[in-house]
Amino acid sequence: GNSVTQMEGPVTLSEEAFLTINCTYTATGYPSLFWYVQYPGEGLQLLLKATKADDKGSNKGFEATYRKETTSFHLEKGSVQVSDSAVYFCALGGRQFYFGTGTSLTVIP
Amino acid sequence: GAVVSQHPSWVICKSGTSVKIECRSLDFQATTMFWYRQFPKQSLMLMATSNEGSKATYEQGVEKDKFLINHASLTLSTLTVTSAHPEDSSFYICSARGAGVSYEQYFGPGTRLTVT
Repeated sequence: GNSVTQMEGPVTLSEEAFLTINCTYTATGYPSLFWYVQYPGEGLQLLLKATKADDKGSNKGFEATYRKETTSFHLEKGSVQVSDSAVYFCALGGRQFYFGTGTSLTVIP
Repeated sequence: GAVVSQHPSWVICKSGTSVKIECRSLDFQATTMFWYRQFPKQSLMLMATSNEGSKATYEQGVEKDKFLINHASLTLSTLTVTSAHPEDSSFYICSARGAGVSYEQYFGPGTRLTVT
């Protein structure tokens, strides 16, 4: 079946540090992959997506590449800001979505 | 585009009463809507999937008589928590998907339910 395994947090970084949040998946077929961000008390916002192998999704300095050979979709950002503090969810999407457990990120000044 | 709203954003109710949460797609027709539940510091748990004009499909372990879902139009789905109890307190999030080949879901901002 389909599933997503996401790096557990919480993650605490200093401002301008490099961020990686690991995400691997198991899937049948050719799903799309997503990263969502959730700020405290709010719903999910789409951060970026990739619809096929080798696609790179990017937004607001965040990037993730759909790697079929390693079944991964790791989220990266070269220089995090305090405003990036949130919970990040990796998701596998087809007719149904499968979410990772979420990774809490705190960026300190 | 692709905006989904939820109402109310926050509700407190007394134990034993029922609460209705609305999910609307504002600028597209949502052929399918999903309802999720999120416990504190946890991921989203899919409760049910509803297609416009038909009965919702509930995930295993979700009580369909307790969580009534109606998807009466292409822009509105409702979740009614009947005879609410404190253990029903949670963050409920809906999402919507339009017709077409894309399976992307658009998420509402969520509704915080507190049952006292």
